[in-house]
Amino acid sequence: SQQGEEDPQALSIQEGENATMNCSYKTSINNLQWYRQNSGRGLVHLILIRSNEREKHSGRLRVTLDTSKKSSSLLITASRAADTASYFCATAGSGAGSYQLTFGKGTKLSVIP
Amino acid sequence: GAVVSQHPSRVICKSGTSVKIECRSLDFQATTMFWYRQFPKKSLMLMATSNEGSKATYEQGVEKDKFLINHASLTLSTLTVTSAHPEDSSFYICSAPSGGFRQFFGPGTRLTVL
Repeated sequence: SQQGEEDPQALSIQEGENATMNCSYKTSINNLQWYRQNSGRGLVHLILIRSNEREKHSGRLRVTLDTSKKSSSLLITASRAADTASYFCATAGSGAGSYQLTFGKGTKLSVIP
Repeated sequence: GAVVSQHPSRVICKSGTSVKIECRSLDFQATTMFWYRQFPKKSLMLMATSNEGSKATYEQGVEKDKFLINHASLTLSTLTVTSAHPEDSSFYICSAPSGGFRQFFGPGTRLTVL
């Protein structure tokens, strides 16, 4: 099965700075999604990018996808203390079972006020 | 957006007992739900795919008899951890897709087995 791996594992920045997280995966995908998890809570969907898309924006979020390199990045601009959380990428495979997600290890983001 | 609930949010039980965790889609129907397990500071590991009206599909290494899944209706899937042991202590999360590939996650259930 494919597995996304994020880097860095942990990231600490000052409020107002931009945060960039990267994700790599191993097999072909239908789409790649980014989720956020606050400590001890469930996951919240942030953004989905399809395999035929290269870049997508949503508010302060920008996601890129490079299928040739099997990698994606999540950029959070003008970070806020409330952005402190763990961020996971998840890939959905192509074909049957494409609803099934495989999660990466996550990046723990700390935004210092 | 779609809402998924889980119950209970926390459970503490003695070793050897069984624990049932419920996952409900509150405002949409889900023929498929997913169960994940998450260890502290780790990622989510897919345990099984719950299918309404049919048997669950388990991931490699997940014991079917240990983690019983029942998807009795279009809005409810249950995970029963049978004869729980301390190593089963973990954070269990369910999810369901709605309106495409996006998944909606429950808030999770923290299981502690003494």
